[in-house]
Amino acid sequence: GQQVMQIPQYQHVQEGEDFTTYCNSSTTLSNIQWYKQRPGGHPVFLIQLVKSGEVKKQKRLTFQFGEAKKNSSLHITATQTTDVGTYFCAVLTYLDTGRRALTFGSGTRLQVQP
Amino acid sequence: DAGVTQSPTHLIKTRGQQVTLRCSPKSGHDTVSWYQQALGQGPQFIFQYYEEEERQRGNFPDRFSGHQFPNYSSELNVNALLLGDSALYLCASSRPGGIYEQYFGPGTRLTVT
Repeated sequence: GQQVMQIPQYQHVQEGEDFTTYCNSSTTLSNIQWYKQRPGGHPVFLIQLVKSGEVKKQKRLTFQFGEAKKNSSLHITATQTTDVGTYFCAVLTYLDTGRRALTFGSGTRLQVQP
Repeated sequence: DAGVTQSPTHLIKTRGQQVTLRCSPKSGHDTVSWYQQALGQGPQFIFQYYEEEERQRGNFPDRFSGHQFPNYSSELNVNALLLGDSALYLCASSRPGGIYEQYFGPGTRLTVT
């Protein structure tokens, strides 16, 4: 299956600072999804990107899909303590069974200092 | 509308034993996928069930097996438990068609001693 690398593994910021996590692939991706997992919680879907160069915004979160569809980023403006958690990118793969499956990256853990 | 539910929430087993984990998907969802999440790692795909059949399997040994029932609920069975099987086991469901957004349950924390 397709593999994605996420960087950084961990980032500690002061509340109010910006934060960016990156997801990179050596192959062209058909689409990418982003999930957030709060400490002790389960992954929650944030967004899906499909088009080359696509940019989507959700309040303080900005998601980008690279022009070559080999990378993606999630940027949080002016972090808040509620942003604490691990952010995962996930690649949707279409299987030869006609079904779909997700391959997750290893995640970026965000810690926000109040 | 209940989301994805899983039972039990925590489980402690001894090496060599067998375990069964249960999952009920979100209402209206017909596909159930199981993931293993080790500490500090992303979820790893185990397998997917649709129409009561295993449709795809990730890189997991045959000790991991599953089942889906007519009401779309699912079980994950793990035989001959190893210490390395200790992890959070997540069930996720998705609806027919759409963008394949995965709705995750709260997970079952399995500890093998």
